[in-house]
Amino acid sequence: AQSVTQLDSHVSVSEGTPVLLRCNYSSSYSPSLFWYVQHPNKGLQLLLKYTSAATLVKGINGFEAEFKKSETSFHLTKPSAHMSDAAEYFCVVSEDLSGGYNKLIFGAGTRLAVHP
Amino acid sequence: DVKVTQSSRYLVKRTGEKVFLECVQDMDHENMFWYRQDPGLGLRLIYFSYDVKMKEKGDIPEGYSVSREKKERFSLILESASTNQTSMYLCASSLHGPNSPLHFGNGTRLTVT
Repeated sequence: AQSVTQLDSHVSVSEGTPVLLRCNYSSSYSPSLFWYVQHPNKGLQLLLKYTSAATLVKGINGFEAEFKKSETSFHLTKPSAHMSDAAEYFCVVSEDLSGGYNKLIFGAGTRLAVHP
Repeated sequence: DVKVTQSSRYLVKRTGEKVFLECVQDMDHENMFWYRQDPGLGLRLIYFSYDVKMKEKGDIPEGYSVSREKKERFSLILESASTNQTSMYLCASSLHGPNSPLHFGNGTRLTVT
């Protein structure tokens, strides 16, 4: 069975400094991986996805993530944090089911705080 | 833009009540999902549906049922609400296919007293 582990439940950075949110996955084959963001009192929004093309994936709002098969990691980064980046971030792995549809397995989430 | 609308933002119900959570999407998506979100646990899949009148159990279906009579609408039913069902409930939809992202509603925060 596939699973995903987010290594930090909380991350705190200063505005203008880099962001690193860590994610490791387990999968028996080459997975599809996603990062979603949830701002307070909102639903989740897709940040970026990896689907076995380029290993460095660029997403919205300046975020990017690198798929490293040897490390089974898919860490999310941003060079310079903005106050509006404060939110909860979820790493997600896609499990293919029979019938042509898939099930998403969510990590527990990392809450990012950005300080002035 | 895809819009997924959940009928209630906040809901307070008593133990034993039958509760209906409604979700509507406007992009003709085949797949629809119900998740519950609890602190430290991420999102857990309750039920999903890949077509009208079709439903599949997710990871935590106990105490819940669903209904999908029309493609755009997916209802979550708590047959007899209990306090351990107090949670944030998120509805999502997607197209068929392994790489199709989910589009989420804003959630319904349900409190069962």
